[in-house]
Amino acid sequence: EAQVTQNPRYLITVTGKKLTVTCSQNMNHEYMSWYRQDPGLGLRQIYYSMNVEVTDKGDVPEGYKVSRKEKRNFPLILESPSPNQTSLYFCASSLFAGNEQYFGPGTRLTVT
Amino acid sequence: AQKVTQAQTEISVVEKEDVTLDCVYETRDTTYYLFWYKQPPSGELVFLIRRNSFDEQNEISGRYSWNFQKSTSSFNFTITASQVVDSAVYFCALIHGSGNTGKLIFGQGTTLQVKP
Repeated sequence: EAQVTQNPRYLITVTGKKLTVTCSQNMNHEYMSWYRQDPGLGLRQIYYSMNVEVTDKGDVPEGYKVSRKEKRNFPLILESPSPNQTSLYFCASSLFAGNEQYFGPGTRLTVT
Repeated sequence: AQKVTQAQTEISVVEKEDVTLDCVYETRDTTYYLFWYKQPPSGELVFLIRRNSFDEQNEISGRYSWNFQKSTSSFNFTITASQVVDSAVYFCALIHGSGNTGKLIFGQGTTLQVKP
């Protein structure tokens, strides 16, 4: 089944404890992206990747890192999480930039 | 500036009614892409449709139809004979073509409640 998977689905952590949210797609897509969804602010792009080893900042990249060492994986790293990073995170992929993006199930992160 | 406006924050209908969700977009690009996504109460984002700026043909998929009008910068979504399972938040989104970063610019969403 063609899909985008994310793990974990739910995470409660404490300020400053490094964490990684994994994202993987099995559709051989070139493009991958991370978004966060917050009440009142909507969906905003954090980082994106046009292809392997090519990543760039979106609208809200502060406090996040990404890497794209393999085509299928695009992990989101929070080196020192803070409470303002409490959010619902979505990974997405598409064949190329501009094509329809398929989203993972979301990761609900709470930072206390 | 690129922007997507969904003026209807919430809509409530009774099952079997038709409902139209409005979407107005702003972009200076001649090449762009428009999308609709559905977010049911379970939280995932489900792709519904993609349209490029050069294709103004309307589309129908079962009970869903989309009306794209460049003259009014609108990309409206109609659900015919609505069902309770249509209850969700619906997002209209735009990707602009110049310097295409693939970033989806989302509207604020319209919450549709379909009552039995």
